[in-house]
Amino acid sequence: KAGVTQTPRYLIKTRGQQVTLSCSPISGHRSVSWYQQTPGQGLQFLFEYFSETQRNKGNFPGRFSGRQFSNSRSEMNVSTLELGDSALYLCASSLAPTIGQGNSPLHFGNGTRLTVT
Amino acid sequence: GEDVEQSLFLSVREGDSSVINCTYTDSSSTYLYWYKQEPGAGLQLLTYIFSNMDMKQDQRLTVLLNKKDKHLSLRIADTQTGDSAIYFCAVSASKIIFGSGTRLSIRP
Repeated sequence: KAGVTQTPRYLIKTRGQQVTLSCSPISGHRSVSWYQQTPGQGLQFLFEYFSETQRNKGNFPGRFSGRQFSNSRSEMNVSTLELGDSALYLCASSLAPTIGQGNSPLHFGNGTRLTVT
Repeated sequence: GEDVEQSLFLSVREGDSSVINCTYTDSSSTYLYWYKQEPGAGLQLLTYIFSNMDMKQDQRLTVLLNKKDKHLSLRIADTQTGDSAIYFCAVSASKIIFGSGTRLSIRP
């Protein structure tokens, strides 16, 4: 079974631009969540989707948004990029409708490394 | 609020056992996970334990859970250079909370 696929692997953008990252979950997984990983802040939760509905949102500004499609694929968008948005963005999928529910661990992709200059 | 804490670094000699510790605050945590992150990669699920268990062994990995003290540990027997990575503890109750990760380095 294929794992979680994230594209692209690397992105370089300049301040003020916007970016869209893509995530394809494991086949059969309908829950997708997104995390931002930086050396200083560790792993921070962005948002979580199940059946095209946002179930939960982390403490990030409105410049960060996401969506999920009917085939469970998800995208996240960051508008008006800032230098501090440079990070590894990780997507994870799971079977449970809500992350943390039951024995349904998160399975992560290899991430998209975003560099903002 | 809920918190998960880990020490930042651990250095062990090749062939020795590594023990990575984690403490958490949410006593209603049901499942507790260990993830491994190698450079340039995402988090790989290593193993997990249900909160009604004390111990789980999986080849070189042993997970110990002390629910009273809210303490979780991961023991890696016969540590190899390929075990060099960052190890994350995560606990789930109403949501999944990750620790900040422990960087394991191996000395020859």
